[in-house]
Amino acid sequence: SQQGEEDPQALSIQEGENATMNCSYKTSINNLQWYRQNSGRGLVHLILIRSNEREKHSGRLRVTLDTSKKSSSLLITASRAADTASYFCATDESWGAQKLVFGQGTRLTINP
Amino acid sequence: KAGVTQTPRYLIKTRGQQVTLSCSPISGHRSVSWYQQTPGQGLQFLFEYFSETQRNKGNFPGRFSGRQFSNSRSEMNVSTLELGDSALYLCASSGEGYSEETQYFGPGTRLLVL
Repeated sequence: SQQGEEDPQALSIQEGENATMNCSYKTSINNLQWYRQNSGRGLVHLILIRSNEREKHSGRLRVTLDTSKKSSSLLITASRAADTASYFCATDESWGAQKLVFGQGTRLTINP
Repeated sequence: KAGVTQTPRYLIKTRGQQVTLSCSPISGHRSVSWYQQTPGQGLQFLFEYFSETQRNKGNFPGRFSGRQFSNSRSEMNVSTLELGDSALYLCASSGEGYSEETQYFGPGTRLLVL
């Protein structure tokens, strides 16, 4: 089952601009994670935010979580060509277990 | 530490055949999860193994099975392959398999069923 829905499906911006991706989910969660995937390869974990947290930062990444709206956003500041990838949010469907439910992803293209 | 490795990286099979994919987790990790990624369905959870036991299972038919060995290496098997089984199969490992742990993904095995 696809719990996370991501918006937009594709995003194209100029290098140096900020990129914002949104994720909505349907059920209660323990935490929400964001992953990056380059060209159909393995997923790279970016950041995890717990349900009792509202905002988290990691380098150029900023994640927010609104459990009342069941939504999260990922902001990448000062984008670089190397940020070109697909970004997925994932929630833990089974409380405490690693049974992640992924969204469909946002395809981000950074133009030089 | 070496990352998660998956073999083979690419595989071509025909309908009706069976296939076995292998995953070696990061040293010390005991939880291994498998995911299927297709353009239509996206990333879907198959199953998770911990200490040689299947601990969680996704909504896939019984043709999909797996196992884990005492060294935490895991295999997944798909029997009676169908065209729709063409996908990227990803495995991920973590220490104890708690949801708050980071899962480290392998590069995947791309399976094409003809």
